[in-house]
Amino acid sequence: KAGVTQTPRYLIKTRGQQVTLSCSPISGHRSVSWYQQTPGQGLQFLFEYFSETQRNKGNFPGRFSGRQFSNSRSEMNVSTLELGDSALYLCASSLVAGTNQPQHFGDGTRLSIL
Amino acid sequence: DAKTTQPPSMDCAEGRAANLPCNHSTISGNEYVYWYRQIHSQGPQYIIHGLKNNETNEMASLIITEDRKSSTLILPHATLRDTAVYYCIVRVPSGGVSGNTGKLIFGQGTTLQVKP
Repeated sequence: KAGVTQTPRYLIKTRGQQVTLSCSPISGHRSVSWYQQTPGQGLQFLFEYFSETQRNKGNFPGRFSGRQFSNSRSEMNVSTLELGDSALYLCASSLVAGTNQPQHFGDGTRLSIL
Repeated sequence: DAKTTQPPSMDCAEGRAANLPCNHSTISGNEYVYWYRQIHSQGPQYIIHGLKNNETNEMASLIITEDRKSSTLILPHATLRDTAVYYCIVRVPSGGVSGNTGKLIFGQGTTLQVKP
């Protein structure tokens, strides 16, 4: 069974640009969550999607947004990139939102802002 | 969600059992304990989770104290590939299809170094 797939694996952008990251969950998983990992702040929750609806959101500015499609694939978008947005962005999927079923993570997209 | 406390680092000899402790003294009755690990440059890997009974799978065993205020993750025969940061997380499932608390709150974890 294929795991969570994130594309691209690496990305380099400059300040002020925008970026879209993609996540394909494990087959049959309907909930997708996004996290940001930086050396200073560690792993922080961005948002969670289930049935194409955002169910929960972390403490990030409105420049960070996401969406989920009917096939459960998800994208996140960051607009007006800042140097501090350089991070590893991780996607996790689980069968259903908000149950005790564990989330399974992809290997992330490493975003570097120049 | 309750907070967890883990030692920042631990060493273990290859082939020996690695016992990673976690304190979650403020855990509530419906919060589960989850363990993940992260090997450098990879995403966190789910290991095991439990509510109050001890759990075992092909990767590890989870021992939860009777009062549920602490737990121990046991890797029975540690190998060099088990060197990673291990995270202990407590989380309450919000309840079914309409649930909206899927987030995991990660602390700093324990860096386990398995040595030859």
